[in-house]
Amino acid sequence: DAGITQSPRHKVTETGTPVTLRCHQTENHRYMYWYRQDPGHGLRLIHYSYGVKDTDKGEVSDGYSVSRSKTEDFLLTLESATSSQTSVYFCAISESTRGGARGYTFGSGTRLTVV
Amino acid sequence: SQQGEEDPQALSIQEGENATMNCSYKTSINNLQWYRQNSGRGLVHLILIRSNEREKHSGRLRVTLDTSKKSSSLLITASRAADTASYFCATDESGGGADGLTFGKGTHLIIQP
Repeated sequence: DAGITQSPRHKVTETGTPVTLRCHQTENHRYMYWYRQDPGHGLRLIHYSYGVKDTDKGEVSDGYSVSRSKTEDFLLTLESATSSQTSVYFCAISESTRGGARGYTFGSGTRLTVV
Repeated sequence: SQQGEEDPQALSIQEGENATMNCSYKTSINNLQWYRQNSGRGLVHLILIRSNEREKHSGRLRVTLDTSKKSSSLLITASRAADTASYFCATDESGGGADGLTFGKGTHLIIQP
């Protein structure tokens, strides 16, 4: 997706290991979000950022931490991965809070499997 | 917890027919947005309707909003095979609710050629 990339696209990791997912944007948008998508649950907000070093928790933040040291990068870390964190993770960016007129722009997602 | 709930969960129609999806939500909103997700891809923003609007059009898309019933509908006219995707509504809650959009679980639309 133009202006936003997620890495890696796929990852398999073992229970108990730390994992970091990266979201990189070239749009200079202030707001960045991490969502997880699971069957039967839709998308749920994990953490979001409203500026460099400014982050806050979303609906399902337990077991996750984030960092944003530069406007363009928003990192999601699973400190000790569990099987319940197997999911597809999406990063999104927006110019204004909650999307504004143009909504969110999403990355292509990271499929994480914890075994 | 989910704010929006789409209905139906799945819909299969013939190419050329119109597709209608509904979204119900629970709290007051500033706006409601619709997104499309193709298999294995991220969501793509389709259209936004503000709480003081009742209907909005964009190409083959028509969105309605009824704040008294806390519901919205997305109509895709003259459907094409390329419209096969999942469609999500997302709400921007007013009154200082969630700090990100709240998404529903989606409607999976299949267009039969």
